[in-house]
Order: sequence, then structure tokens, then C-alpha cells
Amino acid sequence: QITLKESGPTLVKPTQTLTLTCTFSGFSLSTSGVGVGWIRQPPGKALEWLALIYWNDDKRYSPSLKSRLTITKDTSKNQVVLTMTNMDPVDTATYYCAHRPPVDVFDIWGQGTMVTVSS
Amino acid sequence: SYEQTQPHSVSVALGQTARITCGGNNIGSKKVNWYKQKPGQAPVLVIYRDSSRPSGIPERFSGSNSGNTATLIISRAQAGDEADYYCQVWDSSTVVFGGGTKLTVL
Repeated sequence: QITLKESGPTLVKPTQTLTLTCTFSGFSLSTSGVGVGWIRQPPGKALEWLALIYWNDDKRYSPSLKSRLTITKDTSKNQVVLTMTNMDPVDTATYYCAHRPPVDVFDIWGQGTMVTVSS
Repeated sequence: SYEQTQPHSVSVALGQTARITCGGNNIGSKKVNWYKQKPGQAPVLVIYRDSSRPSGIPERFSGSNSGNTATLIISRAQAGDEADYYCQVWDSSTVVFGGGTKLTVL
């Protein structure tokens, strides 16, 4: 059974850096074709993809946010970390991590973590 | 960058068939995934690679994709189908979600 859980601060100040951790179980991020992605959703708005890291450490980023994002993995801890710099109130959202099997889809999602950006 | 267009809302009578569209330039050449999201919950995959159903998803859910439009079809709509639905594609190794459609079951 695959599960993912996001963790991190619930409140950050403008200009600060956000660090979120996705801790997963039920799969290995060293298995060929597997990946973990990050997606966010501002209150009342649509889903927005942020980043994706593959088993081979290949990384992909949203073109509009690429300069602010870094995604890394720790295979031994079954964790994926997303950092987003220079946070702004418009970045207030629920942040999800999701499992990407060896096909182009997010088949299992974490419960999400709400992050508010406010001074 | 690639964009998909979804209607903001779709209504369907209980027991009837709902069709939710996802428009995009030559989207038929891409593989489309569909997610269902109820308020306060994480998205759930309901259709992948245009028309495949994950285990546990009822046969009432189906999909098609051709030309410039992909369609999620929900047959015999139930109250529990009321939710937001998002289409999603991979484009040039990046991921793109549509704007979402709110399905109301009357």
C-alpha cells in the first residue's frame, strides 16, 4: 500500500524560504520509472504542478516557478524535499506530493498540507 | 506553454450521463489523465492514459480523447460524483493541469 504525507510549516513570512518534506512508504524511489511530484492548490483555485523528481535524480520544474524551486530526494529515508524561495502571500495554498508510477500519471496523493504566507 | 480549457461547471440530472471536456491544441496526440476532488480532500485519479480506469474506480467512469478535445464521461451519475474534476497532461516533460470543472448532480 502506497502512502505519502507532507510536512512543513503552516505559516511562513513573506520573502522567507519554504521547505516541505514528503515522506512516503510502499514504494522505492530507486525503482526504475518511479517519481514523486509536488502540486499545489490555492484556496478555491485549480491545481498547479510545481516539480517532479525521478528515480534517476532527473528533475523537472514548472517553467513559471523554476527559479524559485529546488526538489531533492533522500532514497534511504524515503523522503522528497521541496524548497521554494522568496515566498509571497500569493503562494498561500495546500501543497500536495504524489506518486508517479512508471507511466505519466499521479496515481496516489498525500493528504496535503496548508501553507499560509503572511507577515 | 501548453494549456487546457475546461468548462467552469457542468450539471447533470441524477442517473443521467455527464460529459466533461478538456480542450487543447491537438490534445489527441497526448495522454490525458482525470482527477476527481471533493471539498477538503486530495485529488483521486479516475481515468489515466485517456481511457484506462484504476482499480476501484467504477465502470461508470470512462474517457475519450481525439483531435482537440478529451472527454470524461460519467454514466448513471450519482450524488457522490459531485466534485471538481481536473484533466492533466504531460507536455515536453512538464505537467499541466486544466482549470477544473465543478460537476453538480441535480
